Amino acid sequence: EAGVTQSPTHLIKTRGQQATLRCSPISGHTSVYWYQQALGLGLQFLLWYDEGEERNRGNFPPRFSGRQFPNYSSELNVNALELEDSALYLCASDTQGLMNTEAFFGQGTRLTVV
Amino acid sequence: AQSVTQLDSHVSVSEGTPVLLRCNYSSSYSPSLFWYVQHPNKGLQLLLKYTSAATLVKGINGFEAEFKKSETSFHLTKPSAHMSDAAEYFCVVSDGYGGATNKLIFGTGTLLAVQP
Repeated sequence: EAGVTQSPTHLIKTRGQQATLRCSPISGHTSVYWYQQALGLGLQFLLWYDEGEERNRGNFPPRFSGRQFPNYSSELNVNALELEDSALYLCASDTQGLMNTEAFFGQGTRLTVV
Repeated sequence: AQSVTQLDSHVSVSEGTPVLLRCNYSSSYSPSLFWYVQHPNKGLQLLLKYTSAATLVKGINGFEAEFKKSETSFHLTKPSAHMSDAAEYFCVVSDGYGGATNKLIFGTGTLLAVQP
């Protein structure tokens, strides 16, 4: 069974540009989560999508946004890129956004802003 | 608010010796606690989780962790390290009952090196 897949694996952008990151969840999973892993900061929750709707977002500015498509795949968009947006962005999926479900993580997209 | 502190950013052990990765948590109520592992160029994998059942939790690959409320600790141990254990390990607390994925709070990670 295929796991959570993310693309691209690496992305280099210049400050001020927009970045689009993509995630395909495990088949049957309806929830997709985005996390940012910045150097020395651990993983921080960004966004949660379930059944096409944004359910919750972390403490990030509005230039971080995304969407979930009818096939449950998801995009994360980062507008007006800043140098501190450089990080590994991880996507996770599970069957529902409730308790005691295990989330499965993708390998991540390494975003570098220069 | 919930938080976790991983006490060591780097740990180095010899193959065949015990592993101890330390984690302290802060929680205003009974927490759900997890350990995840991240191998290079791979996603995060759940090693084990504690959700108020037995205080000694056994996970995959021979790892286990003990929940100690009096010490607010959830240290990860393994009796004998293998080369394949070299990876980064994250202690995680849930900021909500039961460990909902959008409520996970990650520590900053401990990089485990295993020497031959």
